[in-house]
Amino acid sequence: EAGVVQSPRYKIIEKKQPVAFWCNPISGHNTLYWYLQNLGQGPELLIRYENEEAVDDSQLPKDRFSAERLKGVDSTLKIQPAELGDSAVYLCASSFGQSTSTDTQYFGPGTRLTVL
Amino acid sequence: GEDVEQSLFLSVREGDSSVINCTYTDSSSTYLYWYKQEPGAGLQLLTYIFSNMDMKQDQRLTVLLNKKDKHLSLRIADTQTGDSAIYFCAERWGNTPLVFGKGTRLSVIA
Repeated sequence: EAGVVQSPRYKIIEKKQPVAFWCNPISGHNTLYWYLQNLGQGPELLIRYENEEAVDDSQLPKDRFSAERLKGVDSTLKIQPAELGDSAVYLCASSFGQSTSTDTQYFGPGTRLTVL
Repeated sequence: GEDVEQSLFLSVREGDSSVINCTYTDSSSTYLYWYKQEPGAGLQLLTYIFSNMDMKQDQRLTVLLNKKDKHLSLRIADTQTGDSAIYFCAERWGNTPLVFGKGTRLSVIA
């Protein structure tokens, strides 16, 4: 069974450029998460989707970050324009949802972004 | 409060037991998780424990929960070089998102 797929794995861009990350969750998982992981830190939630609906985006910097999950499956996270401080690993995770008792989340390998 | 604390580093010899500790602040936490992250990889769920349990064992892994002290530990028996990684403690309560600690880097010396 395929896990959470993310692409690209690595991205290097210059500041002020746009960048997009793509995530394909595990088949059947209704809930999709985007996390930001800075060096030496644990992941921090950016946004959570239940199917197509963003149910928690309180930590998403909406001036430059946007996300979509149009058909309730794949998702894209975009930054425009990127800043030096955006350099980090962007992790995608999926789960069956919080209607299940444990809501176990499965993580993808992440996209490492470097902004020069 | 939402604060999960972990020691940053742990070094053990191959074959010894490793104990990774975590403290959390929210007494209403429902589930507590341990994740493993190897270099360049995402997080792999190792195990979790429900807040009404004191202990959970899964092969070489033993999780102990002390609710009074809000202390969680992960013991890895017979630690191997392949166990070298960063281990994250995380908590969740109700419908809130997972809150992670900063991770403990485990180094296993052959």
